[in-house]
Amino acid sequence: SQQGEEDPQALSIQEGENATMNCSYKTSINNLQWYRQNSGRGLVHLILIRSNEREKHSGRLRVTLDTSKKSSSLLITASRAADTASYFCAPKSYYGNNRLAFGKGNQVVVIP
Amino acid sequence: DTEVTQTPKHLVMGMTNKKSLKCEQHMGHRAMYWYKQKAKKPPELMFVYSYEKLSINESVPSRFSPECPNSSLLNLHLHALQPEDSALYLCASSQGLAGVFSDTQYFGPGTRLTVL
Repeated sequence: SQQGEEDPQALSIQEGENATMNCSYKTSINNLQWYRQNSGRGLVHLILIRSNEREKHSGRLRVTLDTSKKSSSLLITASRAADTASYFCAPKSYYGNNRLAFGKGNQVVVIP
Repeated sequence: DTEVTQTPKHLVMGMTNKKSLKCEQHMGHRAMYWYKQKAKKPPELMFVYSYEKLSINESVPSRFSPECPNSSLLNLHLHALQPEDSALYLCASSQGLAGVFSDTQYFGPGTRLTVL
């Protein structure tokens, strides 16, 4: 299965701290995406990193990809209470009609 | 407009009822998806439509019947559901199924379904 596997699965931090979460996957990918989900709501696409990229930034987000280790990390810098959400990684293989195999998710709680 | 809308927001139905979930997007996307999400679990893909044709059915029970009447609309018809079908049903769309601009999926807010 190409499903992502996040680590840690639950994280509680103080506002202003950085939050780092990791994702591992099993087979070759075309790209890996990170999504955020606020409680009981739809998912929001955060960032996509392609297999030939090693690092990508978007605002306070930094994503890294290590294809040799089949892992990715998402760093949220200077966290805010509004960052409280579940974060899912979704590795996407070259095949499979745009299937996204979401990992179990990271529950991040930012304490004001 | 980068919005996917879903109606209703909440739905409570009995096991003998027939109801439908609706999803709409006006981004000109040609791929649309239904996902099911149980509490504290990741979304699970149910169906994928591409150019209004069913492309993927992830072995979903026949009590769930998808329909794509046009490129902007996606329905999920529900009949004789079980209590274990209670979940958040998410619709998503993407530009297509292939190509660099097709990778990102845009999700609606979901329909919270409770089956009594």
